[in-house]
Amino acid sequence: DSGVTQTPKHLITATGQRVTLRCSPRSGDLSVYWYQQSLDQGLQFLIQYYNGEERAKGNILERFSAQQFPDLHSELNLSSLELGDSALYFCASSVGIGDGVTEAFFGQGTRLTVV
Amino acid sequence: GIQVEQSPPDLILQEGANSTLRCNFSDSVNNLQWFHQNPWGQLINLFYIPSGTKQNGRLSATTVATERYSLLYISSSQTTDSGVYFCAVATNEKLTFGTGTRLTIIP
Repeated sequence: DSGVTQTPKHLITATGQRVTLRCSPRSGDLSVYWYQQSLDQGLQFLIQYYNGEERAKGNILERFSAQQFPDLHSELNLSSLELGDSALYFCASSVGIGDGVTEAFFGQGTRLTVV
Repeated sequence: GIQVEQSPPDLILQEGANSTLRCNFSDSVNNLQWFHQNPWGQLINLFYIPSGTKQNGRLSATTVATERYSLLYISSSQTTDSGVYFCAVATNEKLTFGTGTRLTIIP
């Protein structure tokens, strides 16, 4: 158990819908990262938050948004879903940021299927 | 941005064999991690190794930051070692993942 909790584990939804993925970081970690892994693909960085503030952005679609709350949990919102959004979405957390990023730990992922 | 390449892309071995996986990166990094993604999709931390050598049981890793590469050694492979191995480097406030090596261990 990495200590990073993601819910739900599985999600099946229809095209055009909106979903929210939730992540609770490890105790003491201030940084949260979101990654997308499509079928048989590598992990693509979406966005990073540190202590409630957005710090880095990857190739995140405009239909996607995220936030980190005062209690440090984070949510990734995916809207107007398309078939191509089907993927495994990972959340990770670490203590530090930037080049001082300490060891990152990943949650079990949310497997999103858009039908 | 930084490029992270892993080799070989695929590796099929008999149980008990040894293997070496390589991770090359195109720029200086402060941190490097190795992960194992098991067949259920879970990402498991193997090593946090910005430089030097570490060992954990049958696995060991070496990072030579000045030459921009890292190696993961797996000895006496078991079927449970099957999966995809990723290296990831920390730059610009994110982890950039390599392309992965898919390892299949045959009984």
